[in-house]
Amino acid sequence: GQQVMQIPQYQHVQEGEDFTTYCNSSTTLSNIQWYKQRPGGHPVFLIQLVKSGEVKKQKRLTFQFGEAKKNSSLHITATQTTDVGTYFCAGRKTSGSRLTFGEGTQLTVNP
Amino acid sequence: KAGVTQTPRYLIKTRGQQVTLSCSPISGHRSVSWYQQTPGQGLQFLFEYFSETQRNKGNFPGRFSGRQFSNSRSEMNVSTLELGDSALYLCASSRTSGTYNEQFFGPGTRLTVL
Repeated sequence: GQQVMQIPQYQHVQEGEDFTTYCNSSTTLSNIQWYKQRPGGHPVFLIQLVKSGEVKKQKRLTFQFGEAKKNSSLHITATQTTDVGTYFCAGRKTSGSRLTFGEGTQLTVNP
Repeated sequence: KAGVTQTPRYLIKTRGQQVTLSCSPISGHRSVSWYQQTPGQGLQFLFEYFSETQRNKGNFPGRFSGRQFSNSRSEMNVSTLELGDSALYLCASSRTSGTYNEQFFGPGTRLTVL
């Protein structure tokens, strides 16, 4: 079945440092979504990427979808304590298939 | 617009019992998905319902079942509870099934099996 892997599992950074999490799928994806879950909270949708090679930015966050549509990344520039949480990628193999989540990357930011 | 609601928020059961969890999606949303989340694990997909029909099913034993009603509300049932079923059960709704719909998650039901 479809597998979505995320690395690293944990990342500790000092406030102001950059952070990147990578997502790799065993199969080509029709689209990929990113979610953030704050400690004690529930996942919240961040963004969706659909096109091969697509890059989207949200303030300090940059999302990329690979050319082969099998990998994606989330990069945060100059982390802040408000960035703390677990970041999940999730992809669909086809438009009608289930959304498969990666294991998530837990980010902690030391002030 | 009210968000996704899940009841109960917390539940303690003993092994062998059964449990029913409820999810009310955002008004107008017709798709509901269920996930199991345990510490250190990602979100394990249980099933997805759209217009009262199960669209997708994850790799969970038959003890896990669900259904969706005509008003899009959904319930999930776990029979013969095991210790390993202790987890946060999250429900997510979206306007339609599949395609490019973002999922809106509820706060979850924290199930503890003793």
